[in-house]
Amino acid sequence: GESVGLHLPTLSVQEGDNSIINCAYSNSASDYFIWYKQESGKGPQFIIDIRSNMDKRQGQRVTVLLNKTVKHLSLQIAATQPGDSAVYFCAEMRAGGNEKLTFGTGTRLTIIP
Amino acid sequence: DAGVIQSPRHEVTEMGQEVTLRCKPISGHDYLFWYRQTMMRGLELLIYFNNNVPIDDSGMPEDRFSAKMPNASFSTLKIQPSEPRDSAVYFCASSLFPPRGEKLFFGSGTQLSVL
Repeated sequence: GESVGLHLPTLSVQEGDNSIINCAYSNSASDYFIWYKQESGKGPQFIIDIRSNMDKRQGQRVTVLLNKTVKHLSLQIAATQPGDSAVYFCAEMRAGGNEKLTFGTGTRLTIIP
Repeated sequence: DAGVIQSPRHEVTEMGQEVTLRCKPISGHDYLFWYRQTMMRGLELLIYFNNNVPIDDSGMPEDRFSAKMPNASFSTLKIQPSEPRDSAVYFCASSLFPPRGEKLFFGSGTQLSVL
């Protein structure tokens, strides 16, 4: 069935290095993508989003890249900090899919001091 | 604003018991969502409301699950009877508009354990 998934369940990165978290989606009708961050004991928190008419979007220390050809999404975090340790989810919304977001299973990012 | 408030934070119950989870959305938000999170299935949308009216409950697992929103400031998710496979973290989220990214706010969740 259609799904939003992640290539790796865990990722460890040295503090100060850059990290890349990947996400694959299968529905070519998806037109909006979001990355969320979830810290332990908390609900997901919005990081950055991108629409399907864009290939790249930058925020503060984060960049999202969208490759529609291979249905791939990535989140790049620059100069990682201990506070970046969390589970990261990609989510997609499909054109005409009313107000429903579909979430991937998540990648746990651990920052090594 | 205190954000989306969920209660209880933790709930431990025995199989067969009724469980009621509660949510207070952010004041003024028109949309309310109930999600369930497990390691195996990630975040799943169970049901959502717009202006207190259920719009889509296709994610509700079975008849044991029910959700209500009697007014704009309160919603409940009820499981009766509960089963061990219902053990998960249940999140409530609200938004002012259809949830385009930053407009969706999650509560801290209710950790449910059914023994």
